[in-house]
Amino acid sequence: TQLLEQSPQFLSIQEGENLTVYCNSSSVFSSLQWYRQEPGEGPVLLVTVVTGGEVKKLKRLTFQFGDARKDSSLHITAAQPGDTGLYLCAGGGGGGGADGLTFGKGTHLIIQP
Amino acid sequence: DAMVIQNPRYQVTQFGKPVTLSCSQTLNHNVMYWYQQKSSQAPKLLFHYYDKDFNNEADTPDNFQSRRPNTSFCFLDIRSPGLGDAAMYLCATSVMNTEAFFGQGTRLTVV
Repeated sequence: TQLLEQSPQFLSIQEGENLTVYCNSSSVFSSLQWYRQEPGEGPVLLVTVVTGGEVKKLKRLTFQFGDARKDSSLHITAAQPGDTGLYLCAGGGGGGGADGLTFGKGTHLIIQP
Repeated sequence: DAMVIQNPRYQVTQFGKPVTLSCSQTLNHNVMYWYQQKSSQAPKLLFHYYDKDFNNEADTPDNFQSRRPNTSFCFLDIRSPGLGDAAMYLCATSVMNTEAFFGQGTRLTVV
């Protein structure tokens, strides 16, 4: 069973601060996704990383996939109240066939004005 | 332009009364998933279809069943809902086990 550990589980910071969320596993994933979910809505895909060492930027969000494809991080620069939400990482396994995505438990992020 | 559509958005059912949640997709993805998400928790995979092949998670209760009559539609049947089944139910689609696209979810209340 592939497990993804996210940390921290909860994070509350002031507007303008920077933060990093981590997603770690002992398993290798062929790809890893980050989602953001607002209350009462389904998760929305932010980014997919595929290559070990890959770095992707989405405005103030920077995503990194570890060299060994076992871990990932999400860094937010100058956080804004609109960044508040549940951030989920999810991994797809390697090989053929389709298994359900493995989700981390999520990071609840609150950005206070 | 919703690509994964779940109906209804909110469903209230009585304890023990069968209920069906529906999901449709316009993406023509071969994989469809059903997740259960309780308050402040991550989505938990119940089962998924790879084309017509049904894959049940080991810890999914027998109370939960699913049907996929064609590529576009998938249904979640809860045969005898209990109070503990109150949750957000999320449908998602993907091509193989790559990124998933989620519907807006159905919030199920059991009274």
